[in-house]
Amino acid sequence: GENVEQHPSTLSVQEGDSAVIKCTYSDSASNYFPWYKQELGKRPQLIIDIRSNVGEKKDQRIAVTLNKTAKHFSLHITETQPEDSAVYFCAALGGGSYIPTFGRGTSLIVHP
Amino acid sequence: SAVISQKPSRDICQRGTSLTIQCQVDSQVTMMFWYRQQPGQSLTLIATANQGSEATYESGFVIDKFPISRPNLTFSTLTVSNMSPEDSSIYLCSVVETGEKLFFGSGTQLSVL
Repeated sequence: GENVEQHPSTLSVQEGDSAVIKCTYSDSASNYFPWYKQELGKRPQLIIDIRSNVGEKKDQRIAVTLNKTAKHFSLHITETQPEDSAVYFCAALGGGSYIPTFGRGTSLIVHP
Repeated sequence: SAVISQKPSRDICQRGTSLTIQCQVDSQVTMMFWYRQQPGQSLTLIATANQGSEATYESGFVIDKFPISRPNLTFSTLTVSNMSPEDSSIYLCSVVETGEKLFFGSGTQLSVL
């Protein structure tokens, strides 16, 4: 089955800096890669996703890149703000499955 | 996206008792799942809730412990039976929309004493 590794587990940055979270996956059949943001005490929320036929996708201050050959994808947050502080989860799915495999999560702390 | 509501939002229960969590979606959805999130951990799939038939459980989860009902395409329940402190977690229902996009319910924070 699919295996998703996520790094780092904790990331601490100063407000205004950029943050990068990286994930690798094992199943070459995976073709959809969503990212979720979970604030403390709240549900995970889908913030951006990318399909395997696209190398990069941007939405304001967040972007996701995908390298199919290397089987890794990354979340980039620019000009971080304190409200970006949360746990971020990457996931991968494909091969006909509707069930994503989640990474272990990254706790992002943005210091004012 | 669909509005996915769960009840209760939180509960504190005694060891050995059972709790039933309800998940209501404001539109019909085919794919519905139940997840568990233990403190500080990632999201673990418990089962797929199948409409009109028995749920499909993931390895490590059994029907006797986590019975699931799915009477129609907008509603499901998860029961956590014979609870122990190890069952203290957040329980989340989720649905698939627009292809592969997975959305989560509001969650149920369960504490077992």
